[in-house]
Amino acid sequence: IAGITQAPTSQILAAGRRMTLRCTQDMRHNAMYWYRQDLGLGLRLIHYSNTAGTTGKGEVPDGYSVSRANTDDFPLTLASAVPSQTSVYFCASSPGSSYNEQFFGPGTRLTVL
Amino acid sequence: AQSVTQLGSHVSVSEGALVLLRCNYSSSVPPYLFWYVQYPNQGLQLLLKYTSAATLVKGINGFEAEFKKSETSFHLTKPSAHMSDAAEYFCAVSSGGSYIPTFGRGTSLIVHP
Repeated sequence: IAGITQAPTSQILAAGRRMTLRCTQDMRHNAMYWYRQDLGLGLRLIHYSNTAGTTGKGEVPDGYSVSRANTDDFPLTLASAVPSQTSVYFCASSPGSSYNEQFFGPGTRLTVL
Repeated sequence: AQSVTQLGSHVSVSEGALVLLRCNYSSSVPPYLFWYVQYPNQGLQLLLKYTSAATLVKGINGFEAEFKKSETSFHLTKPSAHMSDAAEYFCAVSSGGSYIPTFGRGTSLIVHP
């Protein structure tokens, strides 16, 4: 059982380039989330989805987009990367109730130059 | 509305000493509370959670936390620190049917030999 997988593990990207971070879960969880983690700022929610076909904006959505075509996949796209998007990105999933914990992927370390 | 405050961005203890990581929450309805641990270069994983059953919750690796409604606290403790406990610890709260938790900014636990 893999849980949540993320790809790539790390990436160095030139500013202005388009990039898609991939996230797949095999737990059939309804809810999925994207966070970015920056030193001193903790985890900040970028986008979320409570079921296939629906998405919502989190705390820091600007410059990012997501889609949820099916239950398992939740890709995060940076349309035109900027250096301030240098961060570690975590995908997470949850069955979708407030008493359920989240399950996190291993993260993608992204550097935008 | 819900919020979490973790007191102390860094906590330093000696191996064998008591670990105490503080978490205070704010919620207008009964909360669900979580502690997660993040080891270097990994995603977050659940340590323990409070879901309105016993107020003293035991988790993995010898950690436990006590829900104190009167103090709006959910502090994490471990009687004797091990070197392997060195990690980042996050407290989170969810409530009111929301499947989007609010995370604290994290506390880095440093364990000295």
